[in-house]
Amino acid sequence: DAGITQSPRYKITETGRQVTLMCHQTWSHSYMFWYRQDLGHGLRLIYYSAAADITDKGEVPDGYVVSRSKTENFPLTLESATRSQTSVYFCASSETAGRAGANVLTFGAGSRLTVL
Amino acid sequence: GENVEQHPSTLSVQEGDSAVIKCTYSDSASNYFPWYKQELGKRPQLIIDIRSNVGEKKDQRIAVTLNKTAKHFSLHITETQPEDSAVYFCAASKRDTGRRALTFGSGTRLQVQP
Repeated sequence: DAGITQSPRYKITETGRQVTLMCHQTWSHSYMFWYRQDLGHGLRLIYYSAAADITDKGEVPDGYVVSRSKTENFPLTLESATRSQTSVYFCASSETAGRAGANVLTFGAGSRLTVL
Repeated sequence: GENVEQHPSTLSVQEGDSAVIKCTYSDSASNYFPWYKQELGKRPQLIIDIRSNVGEKKDQRIAVTLNKTAKHFSLHITETQPEDSAVYFCAASKRDTGRRALTFGSGTRLQVQP
């Protein structure tokens, strides 16, 4: 789905560095989410946002920061990357409650992050 | 918070056979249960979902059943084909609420042998 894009798709960084993963959607979906995918753990929610300037923690928020100044963008920042943050990160969005497709998550293509 | 457990972690079937993946959830307030399919190197995509007021839903070769009392739901794939090979994730959430984020199971890798 071209409507939700993530960048970069691949990133290698070093321990202690700051990294920002970008997510942009063109549908004006109100909800956006960040998940990380690790073998054996499935998809775990890091943070989500119900609207611009509204964010909330998920299951594994430690070490991550998010912001949502505009509806279409939801960047995820690792302030000081650690090896345990090596993962595939998926951004997703969903429609507003009451609209067709609400609750259905549409995922971006993912960002593979390696922390050395 | 919600906890979703999924079994088995891997499943190998012969082409044409049926495959069943089972999930349990912990939060009785959850009312929306989707299933996502993730092919190798791709993003997860919704294949079927069910709401808590429905016991079963079918879409061609796939079906989902829900037992609210036991808090478990299952994905059934009949007449499996090689293109069904993928990782399948179940999930649960409180539909149409502010806490609508999905909690996913750990995934089942399905391999369909030709």
